[in-house]
Amino acid sequence: QKEVEQNSGPLSVPEGAIASLNCTYSDRGSQSFFWYRQYSGKSPELIMSIYSNGDKEDGRFTAQLNKASQYVSLLIRDSQPSDSATYLCAAQFGNEKLTFGTGTRLTIIP
Amino acid sequence: GAVVSQHPSRVICKSGTSVKIECRSLDFQATTMFWYRQFPKQSLMLMATSNEGSKATYEQGVEKDKFLINHASLTLSTLTVTSAHPEDSSFYICSASRSPYGEQYFGPGTRLTVT
Repeated sequence: QKEVEQNSGPLSVPEGAIASLNCTYSDRGSQSFFWYRQYSGKSPELIMSIYSNGDKEDGRFTAQLNKASQYVSLLIRDSQPSDSATYLCAAQFGNEKLTFGTGTRLTIIP
Repeated sequence: GAVVSQHPSRVICKSGTSVKIECRSLDFQATTMFWYRQFPKQSLMLMATSNEGSKATYEQGVEKDKFLINHASLTLSTLTVTSAHPEDSSFYICSASRSPYGEQYFGPGTRLTVT
């Protein structure tokens, strides 16, 4: 069974610091990876997608993928209180459904 | 952009009645739409996948006769919860994708309460 694992947290980071969120996946054949942000009581919002090894940057967010080690991470620079949310990692192998992790709860401390 | 809407955002119904939830992709054509359910403090649970013009594919353990899904067009999918019971109370979220394997964009969700 394909699995995506995340540290449930909570992860507390001071405002202005870098928040680092990690995710590992069990299926070496997974090809597509996504990070979603979910505020309490709201639906998930797509932040980043990454398909190739290396880094992908979008504003304050950087996704990093290492297929050999089967991990994907999300870095949030200059963390803001509005970044406080649960972050969901998802992996997809070929034409199969997305497999979501259980999420990491991030709290930015002012 | 990739905007997905859901209606209603919140619904309360009596046990035994049916509730229909609409999911629309507003600015793109969604070949595939997905329906999820999320209980408090739990992760998303995929209920079913629907492709435009064909029958939905249900996940194991999801009753297809209870959760009716129709994907009549490239911008609209509906989920009908038939004969709802209190245990069906949950947060129902749809997502839409331009292809079966691409990025999924989520709607804002529908909070269903069955009394």
